[in-house]
Order: sequence, then structure tokens, then C-alpha cells
Amino acid sequence: RKEVEQDPGPFNVPEGATVAFNCTYSNSASQSFFWYRQDCRKEPKLLMSVYSSGNEDGRFTAQLNRASQYISLLIRDSKLSDSATYLCVVNEATGRRALTFGSGTRLQVQP
Amino acid sequence: NAGVTQTPKFRVLKTGQSMTLLCAQDMNHEYMYWYRQDPGMGLRLIHYSVGEGTTAKGEVPDGYNVSRLKKQNFLLGLESAAPSQTSVYFCASSYNRVADTQYFGPGTRLTVL
Repeated sequence: RKEVEQDPGPFNVPEGATVAFNCTYSNSASQSFFWYRQDCRKEPKLLMSVYSSGNEDGRFTAQLNRASQYISLLIRDSKLSDSATYLCVVNEATGRRALTFGSGTRLQVQP
Repeated sequence: NAGVTQTPKFRVLKTGQSMTLLCAQDMNHEYMYWYRQDPGMGLRLIHYSVGEGTTAKGEVPDGYNVSRLKKQNFLLGLESAAPSQTSVYFCASSYNRVADTQYFGPGTRLTVL
């Protein structure tokens, strides 16, 4: 079983739509959670951290459900520029001091 | 302030050849990482370093070696390249905690024939 699982998509949505992605993680001791964004043939960049109480950054809302071990990302009023792959990232609190990346969910926003 | 840079950007090797990928960061970060990214597999950690002179194995370390002789540089070596090492390699760095933001370089596209 993958440590961090995401639906690969693609999610094809029209401009202005609301879209949500989920991600599940296997290690209940995981401590930190993030969403990174990766444009085609580019490097990943941090989109936002995910806090236990949920957090919002403009059109983006992230939520964490520790009991069910999943993280979500909601994008409101989608823009063409939101088209990218969204990576769910977890700090698994193992002896390895590194993050674990999901394989990503691809979003395509259409005009 | 260049952030994280990687050299080279592209490379084609023949099976059995060796090469070194160079990563440099100018943000005074303690932690540095090497990942590979393959279609459908996501980013997989090869090796990482939590400070100058230290290295540790990640998820997929076989066939690779690393060195961190200077804080700002992290080198990834392939001693005898294999077609299975065809991939996009990303270097990243973060300040001094696992939970700190990771800043990535632009990647190196390696093809092994």
C-alpha cells in the first residue's frame, strides 16, 4: 500500500468551477501535511501547509481529518492558471527526516 | 539570489557510463535532498543530508551515491548508469526542519540508453 495515495485524475473542470481533491495517508503518526503544486515539466512548489483546524489562502482551502487519515484541497472559482498537478505531501515522523510525496492529482481547467 | 540550481539540465548516457549531478543552493539551508520522478510514481527520495558532511539513504538509494562536502552543494553520483535510471532528478533544500518548505531546483532530465 502506498504511504500517500491520490487520485491521479485528470479532473477536467470549466473556469469558475469548484473542485476538490482528497489524499489519504497510511501512517497515523504523521505530523505535518502540505499541498505542493507542479506545473508541466517544472519543479514542485509549496502551495500551502495544512493545519489541524483547516486553513484558507484566497481561493484555496485545505482540511485535515486525522481520524480518517485524509487531507483535502478545495479550489473555488477555478482559473485557467490553476491547471497543474497537485501533490499531497506528508511528514511521516519516521526515523527518516524527509517528506513523503503522493504521485499527484492532475487538474485541467478549461475555458 | 538564485535559490536552488542544478547542473546539467539534460544528459544522455550509455549503459555503464558514470556521471555526477550537481545541486547548489544559496539560501544557507541545512537540509538537502535528491529525488527522482517517474510517470505515475511521484517523487521518490534517493538520498538526503541534514547538514554538511552528513548523508542518509532515502527510499530508492541503490545505484546512487551522494556527497555533501560543502553546505551549499549536494552531489548525486551514478557510478554505472542503467536504463532503469532514466528519470527526472530534482534536488531540493529546506532550512533546518523536515516540516520547513522545500525549495526545488529546475530538474535534470537523464536518459540512459
